[in-house]
Amino acid sequence: ETGVTQSPTHLIKTRGQQVTLRCSSQSGHNTVSWYQQALGQGPQFIFQYYREEENGRGNFPPRFSGLQFPNYSSELNVNALELDDSALYLCASSLENARGSYEQYFGPGTRLTVT
Amino acid sequence: GDSVTQMEGPVTLSEEAFLTINCTYTATGYPSLFWYVQYPGEGLQLLLKATKADDKGSNKGFEATYRKETTSFHLEKGSVQVSDSAVYFCALRVTGGGNKLTFGTGTQLKVEL
Repeated sequence: ETGVTQSPTHLIKTRGQQVTLRCSSQSGHNTVSWYQQALGQGPQFIFQYYREEENGRGNFPPRFSGLQFPNYSSELNVNALELDDSALYLCASSLENARGSYEQYFGPGTRLTVT
Repeated sequence: GDSVTQMEGPVTLSEEAFLTINCTYTATGYPSLFWYVQYPGEGLQLLLKATKADDKGSNKGFEATYRKETTSFHLEKGSVQVSDSAVYFCALRVTGGGNKLTFGTGTQLKVEL
């Protein structure tokens, strides 16, 4: 069973640029959640995708957007990067069905540095 | 809104010492409670969970009891090891709130020989 994978591992971008981060969910999972973890802080919920639709969003501006593909993998896109976007971006996959939501499994994260 | 408050770190202990990391929460609904652990350079791993009041979650010698009356979920371990050195996050998920997790700021644990 393959766990959650994320790419790239590290990324350096310049303020104003755009970035795309990728996540492959664990086998059998249909939901992907994205979190931003600033240095020394806990992860903050960005949004969640279920069946290719956004299914919940945290307090992040519209320049944070995402996609989920038919194979349940996902992308996080951030436009007009700001210095404060520098953080570890975590992807988590889980299973949701009629019985409810199940445990989230986290990937190792992508470290984004904005200069 | 929902929030989680953890004791600030770092917490430095000698091997075999007793560990307590305090966690309290505020929730708009009935939450499930979690402890996650993050080792250096890695993502989060679920350590234990409790889904209703008075439940005790346990794993790898760690325990936490869901106390609704004090809105707390303190993490304990009777004898820590050097390999327990990591950052520990308390988190909650509210029923009906999708699968969104709300995390505390994390507590770094350092265990020395």
